[in-house]
Amino acid sequence: DSGVTQTPKHLITATGQRVTLRCSPRSGDLSVYWYQQSLDQGLQFLIQYYNGEERAKGNILERFSAQQFPDLHSELNLSSLELGDSALYFCASSPPGYGYTFGSGTRLTVV
Amino acid sequence: ELKVEQNPLFLSMQEGKNYTIYCNYSTTSDRLYWYRQDPGKSLESLFVLLSNGAVKQEGRLMASLDTKARLSTLHITAAVHDLSATYFCAVVEIEKAGTALIFGKGTTLSVSS
Repeated sequence: DSGVTQTPKHLITATGQRVTLRCSPRSGDLSVYWYQQSLDQGLQFLIQYYNGEERAKGNILERFSAQQFPDLHSELNLSSLELGDSALYFCASSPPGYGYTFGSGTRLTVV
Repeated sequence: ELKVEQNPLFLSMQEGKNYTIYCNYSTTSDRLYWYRQDPGKSLESLFVLLSNGAVKQEGRLMASLDTKARLSTLHITAAVHDLSATYFCAVVEIEKAGTALIFGKGTTLSVSS
């Protein structure tokens, strides 16, 4: 157990639907990062939150959004889902300084 | 925009032989990470390299960093089957807001006897 908890582990949904992925960071880590991993695009950085505030954006689609709550857990919302959104979504957390810990991921299948 | 390139992308290794994976990055960075990923699993941290000339070793794997050349290498000594996995290097772009890791495409290693 890495200390970063992601739920659910698997999600199957239909095109056009909306889903929410959840991430609880390691205790004490203020930063949360979301990544999308697909076969053709590799590991793509989506967005970073630091202590509740958005810190950096990567290749995140407008249909996707995220937030970090006061207890530091984060949610990634994916809407108007398309077949191409099927991927493994990872959350990572880090303390100030260096070191990144990844969760076990959520496998999203859009049918 | 920071680009991280790994080569080769696929490496078929024979047990007992030595191999090297290369990781080039395009802009200034002061931290480089190596991760291992088994199929369908999460990313496991292998090494963090924090300065020019840094070298770290764990078992049959040794990583080094040359910040002037913007190059890191992961050297595999006497490959064994347990090393079959995908290896990623990742870099933080220090001139940009945020501290996200930017990953290379990964190198998939397959070890055969």
